[in-house]
Amino acid sequence: DAMVIQNPRYQVTQFGKPVTLSCSQTLNHNVMYWYQQKSSQAPKLLFHYYDKDFNNEADTPDNFQSRRPNTSFCFLDIRSPGLGDAAMYLCATSSDSYSNQPQHFGDGTRLSIL
Amino acid sequence: AQSVSQHNHHVILSEAASLELGCNYSYGGTVNLFWYVQYPGQHLQLLLKYFSGDPLVKGIKGFEAEFIKSKFSFNLRKPSVQWSDTAEYFCAVNAAGGYNKLIFGAGTRLAVHP
Repeated sequence: DAMVIQNPRYQVTQFGKPVTLSCSQTLNHNVMYWYQQKSSQAPKLLFHYYDKDFNNEADTPDNFQSRRPNTSFCFLDIRSPGLGDAAMYLCATSSDSYSNQPQHFGDGTRLSIL
Repeated sequence: AQSVSQHNHHVILSEAASLELGCNYSYGGTVNLFWYVQYPGQHLQLLLKYFSGDPLVKGIKGFEAEFIKSKFSFNLRKPSVQWSDTAEYFCAVNAAGGYNKLIFGAGTRLAVHP
């Protein structure tokens, strides 16, 4: 089945130690998104790629960066994780950027900071 | 700025009870509206969506939602819930004709007891 795959499901890192979360898709969608969801809060869009064009949300901290080396893969890099970055990170895709296109989500990666 | 409010954070029902989950949004223009569901251990998946036309939309698994423009609401309903409906439900909105950037509510956890 075509899908959005996030690895790992659970990630533990140390305070200040860089960490990378990965997302891959078999849907061949043009757009890939990264959301942050803290406990009991709404998923919050961090940034998205339309093809190779990177679009950062205005309030996304500089500590968060992303890479999309090809259509299938997208990475979320947290350069110096703080305790406040502990959250579920969701990757999603859509076929294009039009607002009427549904987004398809992965299972998420739960990040813990020691 | 757009925002989405889900009034009920936790709902507990018995099987066969009727369900209504509230969703209100704040946005000055035309919107697209979505309900996503996340079953335990699974990814977010689209339950139903409203773009235009008939304000009563039907989704998968017997769910429906009604868009009431004057109330800025998009409440989710099901006449008779089942144990398998136990999940977290998220309301989301984006700007119609705009970019595909979803604004989510904080979610409602539904527990259905046999």
